[in-house]
Amino acid sequence: DGGITQSPKYLFRKEGQNVTLSCEQNLNHDAMYWYRQDPGQGLRLIYYSQIVNDFQKGDIAEGYSVSREKKESFPLTVTSAQKNPTAFYLCASRASGAYEQYFGPGTRLTVT
Amino acid sequence: SQKIEQNSEALNIQEGKTATLTCNYTNYSPAYLQWYRQDPGRGPVFLLLIRENEKEKRKERLKVTFDTTLKQSLFHITASQPADSATYLCALDTSGGSYIPTFGRGTSLIVHP
Repeated sequence: DGGITQSPKYLFRKEGQNVTLSCEQNLNHDAMYWYRQDPGQGLRLIYYSQIVNDFQKGDIAEGYSVSREKKESFPLTVTSAQKNPTAFYLCASRASGAYEQYFGPGTRLTVT
Repeated sequence: SQKIEQNSEALNIQEGKTATLTCNYTNYSPAYLQWYRQDPGRGPVFLLLIRENEKEKRKERLKVTFDTTLKQSLFHITASQPADSATYLCALDTSGGSYIPTFGRGTSLIVHP
């Protein structure tokens, strides 16, 4: 069953703690993306990676970090430097040469 | 400034009618535009892509139009069903055919039985 998975679905953390969100895909896609979605807002791009071992900052990268050591995996770390980390986080992947993105189910992060 | 506008108010229609959602943009010349469906608490699902040289695209009960002069895309769902109730996002290329689309905020569609 091909797809993109994110875990966990819900995540709770205390302020000041770093937290890592998982994103795995078995679609053999080269490109992967991380977005943040807040109520009433569009998806905002945090980081993206077009190929293994390479990634670029999106529009709101401050306070976040990523790695792309394997084609299948693109974890996102929300650091304590992110001022408003509570949000719905979406991971997506895309096949080379195609424009459409395939999204995971999302992780809802709550920081108190 | 560059903007993508989708109606923030929910669209309420009766089952069986045609739903029409609008995506307007300014200051872009997109090579393509996409529409996604998003259900509450879930990730968006790709529906249709239309390129700048295409006027219309269809897929089953869905139809998308793209008017680069008006800077507008219309998304139609014919014979709408309560199961079509969701938020619909438009996403368009904002940097010359790149693979990094910019997403609108989405419009909520509610189909009443």
